Amino acid sequence: EAGVTQFPSHSVIEKGQTVTLRCDPISGHDNLYWYRRVMGKEIKFLLHFVKESKQDESGMPNNRFLAERTGGTYSTLKVQPAELEDSGVYFCASSHRGGKWGEQFFGPGTRLTVL
Amino acid sequence: GNSVTQMEGPVTLSEEAFLTINCTYTATGYPSLFWYVQYPGEGLQLLLKATKADDKGSNKGFEATYRKETTSFHLEKGSVQVSDSAVYFCALGHSGGYNKLIFGAGTRLAVHP
Repeated sequence: EAGVTQFPSHSVIEKGQTVTLRCDPISGHDNLYWYRRVMGKEIKFLLHFVKESKQDESGMPNNRFLAERTGGTYSTLKVQPAELEDSGVYFCASSHRGGKWGEQFFGPGTRLTVL
Repeated sequence: GNSVTQMEGPVTLSEEAFLTINCTYTATGYPSLFWYVQYPGEGLQLLLKATKADDKGSNKGFEATYRKETTSFHLEKGSVQVSDSAVYFCALGHSGGYNKLIFGAGTRLAVHP
């Protein structure tokens, strides 16, 4: 079974540019989460999809961030325009609705650097 | 609000040494507690969990006991190996099973031969 994949693995952009991160969850997983780790600090929740619906987007920092999950499969996270403080590692995770409590399966992350 | 505090790293140990990584939490209600591990170049993996007070989670020689009285969930291993070198994250989550996880800052462990 393929794990959670994320693309790209690294992205370096300039302030003001746009970047789109992609996450492919494990096939059949209804729940998809985005998290972010900034500068070696704690991993912070951004939002949670159940299929194509946003269940909880309380962690989204501002309206420069837009997440979508069309068709309930893969998800994209767009940052437009990017700011210096957006640099960090963006993790995606997925879980099955009937899976073990709390066991979210994580991707390797996308390291975003905004110059 | 809910939060998790971990001891700062890096932690550097010799092979076969005893490991403790401290984790304390602040939470409303009765959260479940987790340890995730991130090996170099990989995503986070669930290492172990405990869902109620006094539960002990264990896996791969690692253990952690859910202590409600001290709001702690310290990770221990009796004899570490070089292959245990990784970043360890303590986390908590609440009811329903499908909600967000709240993580600590992570502790990097380096084990040398």
